[in-house]
Amino acid sequence: GAVVSQHPSWVICKSGTSVKIECRSLDFQATTMFWYRQFPKQSLMLMATSNEGSKATYEQGVEKDKFLINHASLTLSTLTVTSAHPEDSSFYICSAPGQGTDIQYFGAGTRLSVL
Amino acid sequence: GDSVTQMEGPVTLSEEAFLTINCTYTATGYPSLFWYVQYPGEGLQLLLKATKADDKGSNKGFEATYRKETTSFHLEKGSVQVSDSAVYFCALSEPLFGNEKLTFGTGTRLTIIP
Repeated sequence: GAVVSQHPSWVICKSGTSVKIECRSLDFQATTMFWYRQFPKQSLMLMATSNEGSKATYEQGVEKDKFLINHASLTLSTLTVTSAHPEDSSFYICSAPGQGTDIQYFGAGTRLSVL
Repeated sequence: GDSVTQMEGPVTLSEEAFLTINCTYTATGYPSLFWYVQYPGEGLQLLLKATKADDKGSNKGFEATYRKETTSFHLEKGSVQVSDSAVYFCALSEPLFGNEKLTFGTGTRLTIIP
């Protein structure tokens, strides 16, 4: 089946620094990828839709300048958390729809801890 | 807007017990319905899905029937195993509107005791 790889799986950073998270579709192409944030014991909240070759579409309430998304190729989308603060600590998950299907394939997630 | 309401957890059952996790939805159109499962340390993966009313999705002994009249998609399994311990998410999308985005329920953590 389709595989989505997310890296890193866990990152700890100091407050004020930036962190980049990568999401790759390993065996299929994805013109669209999705970025979610998951709080403890809560559901996945969609942050933005990453579009290959164009600007990302952000959900209401998500700061575009804080969560930079780049979808430079058909197999890679990146999420950069800029000037991270402790409140940005969370579990970030990406997904990509399989080609010609309504099934989403998910990365294993990245746990971000901002000190 | 679209929403999914899912049975609160956590749920703890003994092995071979019957499982039901309730899920109801609100949608503007004709959604596709999904159950995704997240095993410890892994990403979410599709468990089963149904795309229209009265469809039954099934996989690994789990079943769920798309009930339009009650806007429900309850997950059931007749005899659970320890390996079924995971977090289960009910979700919907509205592909007919060109919308691939998934709207998730809050997730239900299931623990099966030997």
